[in-house]
Amino acid sequence: GNSVTQMEGPVTLSEEAFLTINCTYTATGYPSPFWYVQYPGEGLQLLLKATKADDKGSNKGFEATYRKETTSFHLEKGSVQVSDSAVYFCALVYGGSQGNLIFGKGTKLSVKP
Amino acid sequence: EAQVTQNPRYLITVTGKKLTVTCSQNMNHEYMSWYRQDPGLGLRQIYYSMNVEVTDKGDVPEGYKVSRKEKRNFPLILESPSPNQTSLYFCASSSMGSTDTQYFGPGTRLTVL
Repeated sequence: GNSVTQMEGPVTLSEEAFLTINCTYTATGYPSPFWYVQYPGEGLQLLLKATKADDKGSNKGFEATYRKETTSFHLEKGSVQVSDSAVYFCALVYGGSQGNLIFGKGTKLSVKP
Repeated sequence: EAQVTQNPRYLITVTGKKLTVTCSQNMNHEYMSWYRQDPGLGLRQIYYSMNVEVTDKGDVPEGYKVSRKEKRNFPLILESPSPNQTSLYFCASSSMGSTDTQYFGPGTRLTVL
């Protein structure tokens, strides 16, 4: 079946370090990829998304490129801040707007000053 | 303010005692859904609704019911809760479907004794 696999955490980084969180998926068609972020005690919110192959989504210094050839949508940020501490979820939709939104298990990021 | 609200935020109950968790959105969204979040499993979709009177099962629908009588409300019903339904529940809504940005509620932490 369709699935999303993301890097297990927790990930602990120092402020201004480079961040990569890997996300890969099984490909049965052309899914739409997203990254959602969950700050402590809150619901999830959209961080960024891509709509077609080789599309790069970006927001708040985070970027992710939709690579169909490697079935990946890795999240990157060049210089993390303490305020980026949160849980990050990779998610994909298979089957268009009526399809299911499938989430990865989440990666907890802690950024130390 | 555009938002998704859930009530209650916290609930402790006993096995077999019927309960309802309410979800309401004020953005005139057509698509609404329920998820449960469990450690190590990420978010899993329980039910979703494309519009009024249209509901469908997600990945883990067993033991849950939903209804969509009005566009803004999408209650989650546990007819006979069991301890394995102890979890953190999130309601979400979006404009048209699962490929649109999902707006999440703050979550309901349910404990079934």
